[in-house]
Amino acid sequence: AQKVTQAQTEISVVEKEDVTLDCVYETRDTTYYLFWYKQPPSGELVFLIRRNSFDEQNEISGRYSWNFQKSTSSFNFTITASQVVDSAVYFCALSEAYNYGQNFVFGPGTRLSVLP
Amino acid sequence: ETGVTQSPTHLIKTRGQQVTLRCSSQSGHNTVSWYQQALGQGPQFIFQYYREEENGRGNFPPRFSGLQFPNYSSELNVNALELDDSALYLCASSTTGTGFEKLFFGSGTQLSVL
Repeated sequence: AQKVTQAQTEISVVEKEDVTLDCVYETRDTTYYLFWYKQPPSGELVFLIRRNSFDEQNEISGRYSWNFQKSTSSFNFTITASQVVDSAVYFCALSEAYNYGQNFVFGPGTRLSVLP
Repeated sequence: ETGVTQSPTHLIKTRGQQVTLRCSSQSGHNTVSWYQQALGQGPQFIFQYYREEENGRGNFPPRFSGLQFPNYSSELNVNALELDDSALYLCASSTTGTGFEKLFFGSGTQLSVL
């Protein structure tokens, strides 16, 4: 069975601090995809990144970076120099690669508050 | 914005009633998925429709049902509402519904069952 754990329920930081959101997943599949989504107060889930199970290269996009480590089944997300606009709930999700009837398994989310 | 629209945005029902939620998928997308997000939790997969047929279902009872129309818009119907059905219902669209595709989500319908 697939499972995603986000151990940090809530995190508060002061603006300009760096913050890392943890994600640990479980799957028996050898081919799978991992995602991060952001949910602002409006409710809409906003796509941030997708990573496949064969690509362990870390990725940086502006202030965002992702660290995928297959050996520890982790896909952590770091925001550098956080801003108030980063305040939201962040979800990590896992999906089987070739499964029709696509079923994303989401973690419980981490609520990030960035204080001015 | 993703182009996925949901209606209504908020809804209040009483236990035992029936409800229909609606979703218009993003242009060019023929797959719609529905998720239930209880307060403080991550979204849970209800089911997916691909070209008007149910293409996968999560662990939800049969009183949760859906439809997809020829224009790929979709409805989620819930019969015999229970208090635990109170949640944010999210619709997401994609091109083929396979696991490697990212989902584009709407802003959701907040359902309160009293």
